[in-house]
Amino acid sequence: AQSVTQLGSHVSVSEGALVLLRCNYSSSVPPYLFWYVQYPNQGLQLLLKYTTGATLVKGINGFEAEFKKSETSFHLTKPSAHMSDAAEYFCAVSGHAGGYQKVTFGTGTKLQVIP
Amino acid sequence: DTGVSQNPRHKITKRGQNVTFRCDPISEHNRLYWYRQTLGQGPEFLTYFQNEAQLEKSRLLSDRFSAERPKGSFSTLEIQRTEQGDSAMYLCASSFPETGEDTEAFFGQGTRLTVV
Repeated sequence: AQSVTQLGSHVSVSEGALVLLRCNYSSSVPPYLFWYVQYPNQGLQLLLKYTTGATLVKGINGFEAEFKKSETSFHLTKPSAHMSDAAEYFCAVSGHAGGYQKVTFGTGTKLQVIP
Repeated sequence: DTGVSQNPRHKITKRGQNVTFRCDPISEHNRLYWYRQTLGQGPEFLTYFQNEAQLEKSRLLSDRFSAERPKGSFSTLEIQRTEQGDSAMYLCASSFPETGEDTEAFFGQGTRLTVV
């Protein structure tokens, strides 16, 4: 069994401020972890993923996330928010090589960027 | 190739009517997934195909739902006798697992269904 908890359904930051979106997971096997972004009425776009190896993962648009096994966390960060970052972000977990039918998505965090 | 394409983008239908959605995956991708996303939730898995074979169906996929992928290319998702609870965004994704590991799927823009 696996699950994802995203803390905070809505997060507001000022333009230029640090973005921190929190994700905690549970998994009975070593996890694969993902962050996706979804703009209104659009599909999901992969920001970054952790499979194995380096625990600090860099993704597109300046985002990065760190896999912390001891804390069962995979928080998403970006040093400086842009207006274009306003969107909904989904954390997801999958067991190793489970295939996307095994991916469990969180309920999402809507990011608002204030000018 | 412009990515995963879904049609229509929006569909409004009356309760009890049948609807069909189409998904065209990225051309070399052999896996195709269907998800449903309701307001305030993340996507939930419905079913997936490897080439033309439907390998798994979620318990969310009631008997009113059927999916096909003839010839392993495009896929259709049909909902019969629609209910208001079927109102959701239906997302399609495709992937091409390398060495047996499926670690990146590409999503289409979705079909938003409204049942009135």
